[in-house]
Amino acid sequence: EVQLVESGGGLVKPGGSLRLSCAASGFTFSSYSMNWVRQAPGKGLEWVSSISSSSSYIYYADSVKGRFTISRDNAKNSLYLQMNSLRAEDTAVYYCARMKGGGSYFAFDYWGQGTLVTVSS
Amino acid sequence: QSALTQPPSASGSPGQSVTISCTGTSSDVGGYNYVSWYQQHPGKAPKLMIYEVSKRPSGVPDRFSGSKSGNTASLTVSGLQAEDEADYYCSSYAGSNTLYVFGTGTKVTVL
Repeated sequence: EVQLVESGGGLVKPGGSLRLSCAASGFTFSSYSMNWVRQAPGKGLEWVSSISSSSSYIYYADSVKGRFTISRDNAKNSLYLQMNSLRAEDTAVYYCARMKGGGSYFAFDYWGQGTLVTVSS
Repeated sequence: QSALTQPPSASGSPGQSVTISCTGTSSDVGGYNYVSWYQQHPGKAPKLMIYEVSKRPSGVPDRFSGSKSGNTASLTVSGLQAEDEADYYCSSYAGSNTLYVFGTGTKVTVL
């Protein structure tokens, strides 16, 4: 059974940093592109960042470019999101999501339960 | 890159059909056959319902169908059931800069 479990969320002050983790199991993690998608309270979904299976290709939404860094450790079946210079508008539930077919179908087929990041003084 | 445009709400009685539109541009919806749809119940993670415009993942009922014409994609839920009441989001591949864009979301109510 595919499982994605996020952790690392919490309350942080504006300008602060946080590192999110996503532990994957039930599939060959090293064969799949992975993503972070966020959802502000009461709002819609927003794609944040993607990383290819071997970390060769990395992409960011304009809203986080230069502040967030996505990475992965295939040996540990883990995905990460380092978030720096956090702003109030970064407050959201952050989901880890797998790309269907490794990335061939451009759709997110499995999602974690999410971890809440709150940026507030 | 702006969010794709969806109607805020849609509704139908049990057994009826409801169709949700998702309007983008030639840089996303109109430019690629990589539109997907997600169902999200309150407090839960999204669930993939449709990918590549009209394909259903294993386990998704055939009451759910997708289509696309020009810059607008659509999701139709036929034979509405109580458990279909949820928020629905479309998404599209948008090229190598933005990569993915989501829709604004539609709340479907089963009357």
